[in-house]
Amino acid sequence: AQKVTQAQTEISVVEKEDVTLDCVYETRDTTYYLFWYKQPPSGELVFLIRRNSFDEQNEISGRYSWNFQKSTSSFNFTITASQVVDSAVYFCALISRGSARQLTFGSGTQLTVLP
Amino acid sequence: ETGVTQSPTHLIKTRGQQVTLRCSSQSGHNTVSWYQQALGQGPQFIFQYYREEENGRGNFPPRFSGLQFPNYSSELNVNALELDDSALYLCASNRAGAEDTQYFGPGTRLTVL
Repeated sequence: AQKVTQAQTEISVVEKEDVTLDCVYETRDTTYYLFWYKQPPSGELVFLIRRNSFDEQNEISGRYSWNFQKSTSSFNFTITASQVVDSAVYFCALISRGSARQLTFGSGTQLTVLP
Repeated sequence: ETGVTQSPTHLIKTRGQQVTLRCSSQSGHNTVSWYQQALGQGPQFIFQYYREEENGRGNFPPRFSGLQFPNYSSELNVNALELDDSALYLCASNRAGAEDTQYFGPGTRLTVL
């Protein structure tokens, strides 16, 4: 069985603040893939990043960065200098070799960036 | 935009009715998955199709069924609708390979009265 936990239900920040969204995962597989998706009010899930279990290098893409730590089973997402357009629900997700091909999502974190 | 399209956008049905939702995959993708997202929750995996066959299924009853066509478009059928079936239904496509990134469509909002 696999599980993804996003303990932060809602986060509210003021524009230009940095914010980190937490994600903790559980899986028995040694080969797995982690994802972050953004869901704006329109409802469509927008892919942000994919990371495999053998690559623990942190990644930066513009104002976005991701910190993957296998030792703590965490895959956290940081937005630097947040903007109002970053307001959305963010989901962390996991797929593993033994998961019958299903992407398991966390419950999501609602991020609100205030002007 | 991902290239994954879904229809209709919104749908209202009454309890006991049947519904069919449609999805067109992104070009080059031959695997499609369906998810149910209840309000305030993360998406839940319903099933996946690859080469027109069911390739994995989540914890959903048999009244949830699907089809994948030779052009890789797909349908989700739900029989005997229940009030709890009210949700956003998301379709996702990816290239062959279970761990490939899934790209999602805009979803169909189903309301069961």
